[in-house]
Amino acid sequence: SQTIHQWPATLVQPVGSPLSLECTVEGTSNPNLYWYRQAAGRGLQLLFYSVGIGQISSEVPQNLSASRPQDRQFILSSKKLLLSDSGFYLCAWSVRAPTNEKLFFGSGTQLSVL
Amino acid sequence: AQSVTQLGSHVSVSEGALVLLRCNYSSSVPPYLFWYVQYPNQGLQLLLKYTTGATLVKGINGFEAEFKKSETSFHLTKPSAHMSDAAEYFCAVRNFGNEKLTFGTGTRLTIIP
Repeated sequence: SQTIHQWPATLVQPVGSPLSLECTVEGTSNPNLYWYRQAAGRGLQLLFYSVGIGQISSEVPQNLSASRPQDRQFILSSKKLLLSDSGFYLCAWSVRAPTNEKLFFGSGTQLSVL
Repeated sequence: AQSVTQLGSHVSVSEGALVLLRCNYSSSVPPYLFWYVQYPNQGLQLLLKYTTGATLVKGINGFEAEFKKSETSFHLTKPSAHMSDAAEYFCAVRNFGNEKLTFGTGTRLTIIP
């Protein structure tokens, strides 16, 4: 069966520090991978998605970047965190279109930038 | 383009009462529609989905939703609320063949004992 791992679960970082959140998927090949951010009262915002190694689509301009060095690994990074980067970050995967009917989510990372 | 609007960021119902969470979508092509549930400090779980076929879809935990094309709606209902239903609920839309799932802003459901 497929599983998705996301870590760390919680993270407290000072403003201006770097960030690296990692997500890995097991039990499937060539998944679509996604990073979402959930901010209070703003629902889920799609940050990045990837349909293959090295292929990253950015949905919103921001202080973050994403990379996919391996088929089942998706990394969210920042060189210098801002206060506004605080939030709950969710990694997700799906099978490829057109049958990508649903997303499978990781357990999330609560990031607090102080 | 695709988008989702969830009316009501907070909904409170009494235990045993009807649950109704509203979702309207915008899509230039026939959509795939989803409801996800999120419990505190967890990821999202799929409740139910509509792709094609029967417009009334049943999901887990007694929830169901009806796709109404004329109203561009996909409201989530449950006949009798249970305390364990307290969570945040997200409606989402995806166009066929599109890689992206677009979520609404969520509705927090509170159950009153």
